[in-house]
Amino acid sequence: DIQLTQSPSFLSASVGDRVTITCRASQGISSYLAWYQQKPGKAPKLLIYAASTLQSGVPSRFSGSGSGTEFTLTISSLQPEDFATYYCQQLNSYPRGTFGQGTKVEIK
Amino acid sequence: EVQLVQSGAEVKKPGESLKISCKGSGYSFTSYWIGWVRQMPGKGLEWMGIIYPGDSDTRYSPSFQGQVTISADKSISTAYLQWSSLKASDTAMYYCARQFLDSSGYFYFDYWGQGTLVTVSS
Repeated sequence: DIQLTQSPSFLSASVGDRVTITCRASQGISSYLAWYQQKPGKAPKLLIYAASTLQSGVPSRFSGSGSGTEFTLTISSLQPEDFATYYCQQLNSYPRGTFGQGTKVEIK
Repeated sequence: EVQLVQSGAEVKKPGESLKISCKGSGYSFTSYWIGWVRQMPGKGLEWMGIIYPGDSDTRYSPSFQGQVTISADKSISTAYLQWSSLKASDTAMYYCARQFLDSSGYFYFDYWGQGTLVTVSS
């Protein structure tokens, strides 16, 4: 099974900061990667799919990049509503998909 | 409007059985896979399994194979997750989600249910 490792697991940042989260796959997955945001007590929300395509309605300060085994989610200017936990998901083996362990973004 | 509405919270004892549901509306229920995701208290998301309601094709994560059963009733646009004998370690929030497959072959969970909290305690 393909394993995903996110780093860091936790980060503390201030409003306006540029934030980057990394997701590494144990083997190549082309661009079959999605990113989700989850706020406490809520269901996850799709942010990005196909590694770099922004889901409709998601602010443009979110961006994704990468292919193969290394991927990044970048928030260009962190906003108060962005404090949440972020998960990557690999979707290389249709229809199966596994998640990374998550990265919690908290207010500094 | 696409919606996935899950059944309400459950409190059960170890050894009891349980079936929770996820009702889809606003789209063709038989044309999209529905997945189930576990989130244990304070932990991350775990992909459990997925079903295609059109023909009931079902796939499981090795971690959950034999531990749960996923099914669907397309006549009422509802997917199910069931346990025959619950354990305390099944205590978690369970989400259903619709899997979208785009024209380029990329797929992802685009709509999620609100979650069903299952508590197993003696």
